[in-house]
Amino acid sequence: AQRVTQPEKLLSVFKGAPVELKCNYSYSGSPELFWYVQYSRQRLQLLLRHISRESIKGFTADLNKGETSFHLKKPFAQEEDSAMYYCALRADTGFQKLVFGTGTRLLVSP
Amino acid sequence: DVKVTQSSRYLVKRTGEKVFLECVQDMDHENMFWYRQDPGLGLRLIYFSYDVKMKEKGDIPEGYSVSREKKERFSLILESASTNQTSMYLCASGRQKSYEQYFGPGTRLTVT
Repeated sequence: AQRVTQPEKLLSVFKGAPVELKCNYSYSGSPELFWYVQYSRQRLQLLLRHISRESIKGFTADLNKGETSFHLKKPFAQEEDSAMYYCALRADTGFQKLVFGTGTRLLVSP
Repeated sequence: DVKVTQSSRYLVKRTGEKVFLECVQDMDHENMFWYRQDPGLGLRLIYFSYDVKMKEKGDIPEGYSVSREKKERFSLILESASTNQTSMYLCASGRQKSYEQYFGPGTRLTVT
């Protein structure tokens, strides 16, 4: 079964510190992975996807098939990065379903 | 800009009531989804639809039903609300060949 694991419910860092939000997945095929973000009082939105290999708001995520991971990283956290982050995996059903992790709340303190 | 709207931001219902949550999208998306969002459990898929009048069960469909009579509208129905259905409900839509989903603002439902 496809599964996404985000082991940390809460990650608390100081402004300017590096951030790494962990995501591990289980999937036997070729995965397609995403990070979604929900800022306070805003709707959930796509942050980035691994196939785009892009950096959004200073965040990057590299797919590591050997470790089945897709960790989200940023070298210097900002207070405005405080939000709920969800890792998601394309579900192998023929429909455009996503399997979401349980989420990690990132809190960046001044 | 994709717009997904949900009929209510907050809703309070009594146990046993029939509850309707409405979702409308304005981007002609084929796919629409209903999730519930609970702390520590993340997003769990209740139902989704890939076309008008078509629906598929998600991971937690028990106690829910859906209706999609028009392409832009996807309704979630709680036939007989129970306290364990107190949650944040998120609607999302997406294009047929895309895995990117666009979310609504959510409806916080409280069942007392």
